[in-house]
Amino acid sequence: QVQLQESGPGLVKPSQTLSLTCTVSGASISSNYYWSWVRQHPGKGLEWIGYIYHSGSTYYNPSLKSRVSLSVDTSKNQFSLKLRSVTAADTAVYSCARVWFRELAIDYWGQGTLVTVSS
Amino acid sequence: QSALTQPASVSGSPGQSITISCTGTSSNVGSYNLVSWYQHHPGKAPKLIIYEANKRPSGVSDRFSGSRSGNTASLTVSGLQAEDEADYYCCSYATRSIVFGGGTKVTVL
Repeated sequence: QVQLQESGPGLVKPSQTLSLTCTVSGASISSNYYWSWVRQHPGKGLEWIGYIYHSGSTYYNPSLKSRVSLSVDTSKNQFSLKLRSVTAADTAVYSCARVWFRELAIDYWGQGTLVTVSS
Repeated sequence: QSALTQPASVSGSPGQSITISCTGTSSNVGSYNLVSWYQHHPGKAPKLIIYEANKRPSGVSDRFSGSRSGNTASLTVSGLQAEDEADYYCCSYATRSIVFGGGTKVTVL
């Protein structure tokens, strides 16, 4: 079955770049889906960060667009998130997910990884 | 503040029906049928229960139903069961973007 697994540092210093990778198994990242990142601040709701197609087309949350970039590595079946100039407000659980291309609904999620921004 | 507005909490007794509203704008819910709903038990991955406003994925109980009218989408859970106690999030497409609601905590009394 389809599985997504986030990996990356759990602690990032303020002003640095948060980098996470999502490894996809059970499905090809080159198939007709978008691949997305979503975060959840402690005790808060979900926030969409962005999604990417295997061609490299990207769509970002306007509120994060100036600091975020997504990339895809089809040879490794992975996609990645970089969030620059982080502050404590970026402390959250970050999850990767698979998005249906036409319906734009998320059918598979990773378990999520907590990233804390602190010196 | 989330782009879509949901009630913070809704409760009901076993067997009853509850409805969760999700209010957006003409830029999201009002313009697109691309509304989805997710059930989230803390510590687990969210589960897709409704897509395209009123369609259920294979394997999702028919006790869950969705609708959309104007700028508001709704999720109804009928025949409430203890296992339905969870957080529920609505989500909508919004022109090259996706927005979520703030989430609704459903309590089964």
